[in-house]
Amino acid sequence: QSVLTQPPSVSGAPGQRVTISCTGSSSNIGAGCDVYWYQQLPGTAPKLLIFGNSHRPSGVPDRFSGSKSGTSASLAISGLQAEDEADYYCQSYDRSMSGPGVFGGGTKLTVL
Amino acid sequence: QVQLVQSGAEVKKPGSSVKVSCKASGGTFGSYAISWVRQAPGQGLEWMGRIIPSVGITNYAQKFQGRVTITADKSTSAAYMELNSLTSEDTAVYYCARTYRERSSSGVYSYYYMDVWGKGTTVTVSS
Repeated sequence: QSVLTQPPSVSGAPGQRVTISCTGSSSNIGAGCDVYWYQQLPGTAPKLLIFGNSHRPSGVPDRFSGSKSGTSASLAISGLQAEDEADYYCQSYDRSMSGPGVFGGGTKLTVL
Repeated sequence: QVQLVQSGAEVKKPGSSVKVSCKASGGTFGSYAISWVRQAPGQGLEWMGRIIPSVGITNYAQKFQGRVTITADKSTSAAYMELNSLTSEDTAVYYCARTYRERSSSGVYSYYYMDVWGKGTTVTVSS
């Protein structure tokens, strides 16, 4: 049972927009802790996709965007491409930014 | 650009220990922390703990308290994760990840994103 809750799977056709939710609680996301998103392609290590709730590292396409509200966060992917098919994880910290790291259970994105 | 190079795959017997290394290549750890995250087969990511190599401060997930030890040698920019009393449930890929952190004027550390990851070390526990 993950501390952060994500849907197990989402899907969309090429060119469409999908969103992945990440629900936490008052002890993590709701406590003001930042949310991060990682993309994991099959057989590879996770890659940082979004930091500080909504910021993209250099090299991440602007098709990826993040937001946070209350005890939840979302990752939106627009203009879906076949290469976006991967597992996506949200991550935050528990109780404070000094607390233990917590992950969502991951969401498998299938591009139809 | 710093890369994190992890040690090779391990096969261990139940009840034994494993020590995985993570070395910075092309740079040093600097002021970053190093986090350890594991992923069991077909499962999600699980945070295990972290260390600030420059000062040796560690934090562990409650689940692993007493069974995991994270150390670092700042002179060689290497970090280590040792897990004891292994069972089959510890079979997983273990990742190290560079973690941005800040220290407030009151001495409190805050941790942020994991921006550089090692390729992972597969640990198989089997009799």
